[in-house]
Amino acid sequence: GENVEQHPSTLSVQEGDSAVIKCTYSDSASNYFPWYKQELGKRPQLIIDIRSNVGEKKDQRIAVTLNKTAKHFSLHITETQPEDSAVYFCAASIRETSGSRLTFGEGTQLTVNP
Amino acid sequence: NAGVTQTPKFQVLKTGQSMTLQCAQDMNHEYMSWYRQDPGMGLRLIHYSVGAGITDQGEVPNGYNVSRSTTEDFPLRLLSAAPSQTSVYFCASSYSGVPVYEQYFGPGTRLTVT
Repeated sequence: GENVEQHPSTLSVQEGDSAVIKCTYSDSASNYFPWYKQELGKRPQLIIDIRSNVGEKKDQRIAVTLNKTAKHFSLHITETQPEDSAVYFCAASIRETSGSRLTFGEGTQLTVNP
Repeated sequence: NAGVTQTPKFQVLKTGQSMTLQCAQDMNHEYMSWYRQDPGMGLRLIHYSVGAGITDQGEVPNGYNVSRSTTEDFPLRLLSAAPSQTSVYFCASSYSGVPVYEQYFGPGTRLTVT
């Protein structure tokens, strides 16, 4: 089955700096790569996603890049703010006969220091 | 719209007891899924459903049963609770599973098995 590895597990940056989180996946048939943000005690919420036919997608301060050949994708957050502090999860989706399944990475705890 | 709702929010069980975690969505989503989240780990898929009457196993299905008799509801049954099932359980729904779209998560159920 699909395996998703996420690095780093913790990341601490100063406010205004950029943050980059990287994920690799194992199954070349994966075709959908979402990123979720989870604040303490809350539910995960989608912040950005990318499909396998696109190499890069941007939404204001957040961008995701996908390298299908190397089977890795990254989340980039620019001009970080204290409210960006949270756990971020990457995921990869593979289509199976009975539907698609998401496999999640183990998460990155991002801390933005004011 | 209430979105995805889960009951109960908290539950304590004794080893060997059974119970059902409830999940409902009012967005007419075809795809529903159950995840468990353990400290320091990502979300692991337990079971999923691409429509009423159709369910399939995820990564960690042992000890859990599901059914999908209506589009709106997707209950998760713990057959004989074990301490290893202590976790936070999230239900999620999506417009479709083929292809997969954004998953909306419920608020979670925190389960402790003693």
